[in-house]
Amino acid sequence: QKEVEQNSGPLSVPEGAIASLNCTYSDRVSQSFFWYRQYSGKSPELIMSIYSNGDKEDGRFTAQLNKASQYVSLLIRDSQPSDSATYLCAVDTGRRALTFGSGTRLQVQP
Amino acid sequence: DTGVSQDPRHKITKRGQNVTFRCDPISEHNRLYWYRQTLGQGPEFLTYFQNEAQLEKSRLLSNRFSAERPKGSFSTLEIQRTEQGDSAMYLCASRQQSSGANVLTFGAGSRLTVL
Repeated sequence: QKEVEQNSGPLSVPEGAIASLNCTYSDRVSQSFFWYRQYSGKSPELIMSIYSNGDKEDGRFTAQLNKASQYVSLLIRDSQPSDSATYLCAVDTGRRALTFGSGTRLQVQP
Repeated sequence: DTGVSQDPRHKITKRGQNVTFRCDPISEHNRLYWYRQTLGQGPEFLTYFQNEAQLEKSRLLSNRFSAERPKGSFSTLEIQRTEQGDSAMYLCASRQQSSGANVLTFGAGSRLTVL
């Protein structure tokens, strides 16, 4: 079992729709969770972090965390073509380095 | 300071040659990480420094790979006797220990192609 699992996609949504990206993790002691966005050929950039159960909103982005289910999600409201990218879920397992999932490729259709 | 810098951005080499990548972290960041990323995969942890001390190395890190951070500032990652399987993007990231959560800032990466 991978430590951090994501559906590779592509997830295709029309412009203006809500994109929902999901991630599960295996290590129950994980404390911090992150979503990075990576455009093709570029390096990852942090878009959201979440540390406690529930929802955290930042503009069009909402991160959701459920530690009991070991599940993290990212919602993107009013999706734009510029949101088309790979979204990486990362988990802090306490071993000093983030563990990343393989990413979900999002395509927003104009 | 404009962020994490990596050099070179692209490197093409022949199998069996040695290559070295350099990373200059954000100046006040004392923690520096190296990751490797192949197409369709997420970044894979290689090694990590706190100041000049290398504190952790992935078990996946072959003995052909060596990393240094001699003065606790820039770091180098050397790959000896390169193999085609070493072709990947090598990402450097840094953070400040006192910042609490493990929030990493990545450099643009060094893309290695081994022919």
